Amino acid sequence: RKEVEQDPGPFNVPEGATVAFNCTYSNSASQSFFWYRQDCRKEPKLLMSVYSSGNEDGRFTAQLNRASQYISLLIRDSKLSDSATYLCVVNMGTNAGKSTFGDGTTLTVKP
Amino acid sequence: NAGVTQTPKFRVLKTGQSMTLLCAQDMNHEYMYWYRQDPGMGLRLIHYSVGEGTTAKGEVPDGYNVSRLKKQNFLLGLESAAPSQTSVYFCASSRQGTQPQHFGDGTRLSIL
Repeated sequence: RKEVEQDPGPFNVPEGATVAFNCTYSNSASQSFFWYRQDCRKEPKLLMSVYSSGNEDGRFTAQLNRASQYISLLIRDSKLSDSATYLCVVNMGTNAGKSTFGDGTTLTVKP
Repeated sequence: NAGVTQTPKFRVLKTGQSMTLLCAQDMNHEYMYWYRQDPGMGLRLIHYSVGEGTTAKGEVPDGYNVSRLKKQNFLLGLESAAPSQTSVYFCASSRQGTQPQHFGDGTRLSIL
């Protein structure tokens, strides 16, 4: 079993739709969680950190469920520019240095 | 603000050749990382460093060496390139291991 698992998709949604991605992690000691966005053939860029109480940034909402060991990303009112691959990242929080990246979920928003 | 800079951006090598990829960051970050990403796949950690003068193996270290002689630079070496090392290589840095990583824009390496 992979340490971090994501549904690869692709998710194809119309503009204006709401879409949600889940990411599960296997290590219950994980402490830090992030969502990154990666456009085709470009570098990953931090979208948002995920906090225990959940957090929102505009149209994006991230949630953490420690009991079930998953994090989620909700995108409301999807835009064409949201089309990208979304990477889930989990860190042990020990300053050991390593974060584990999921393989990503691909989203395509269509007109 | 340069952030993380990778050189070169593109390179084509012949099997057996050697080369060094350079990563430089100007954010005074302690941690630096080298990843490879193959088509349609996720990032795989090659080597990483938790501070100047230190290096550690990641998930796929074979065939690569690294050095971190200066805090701002992290070098990735291929001693004898193989076609299986054709990939996009990303360098990243972070202030601490628990904090988000900042990525360079990648080096596209083809080995014939």
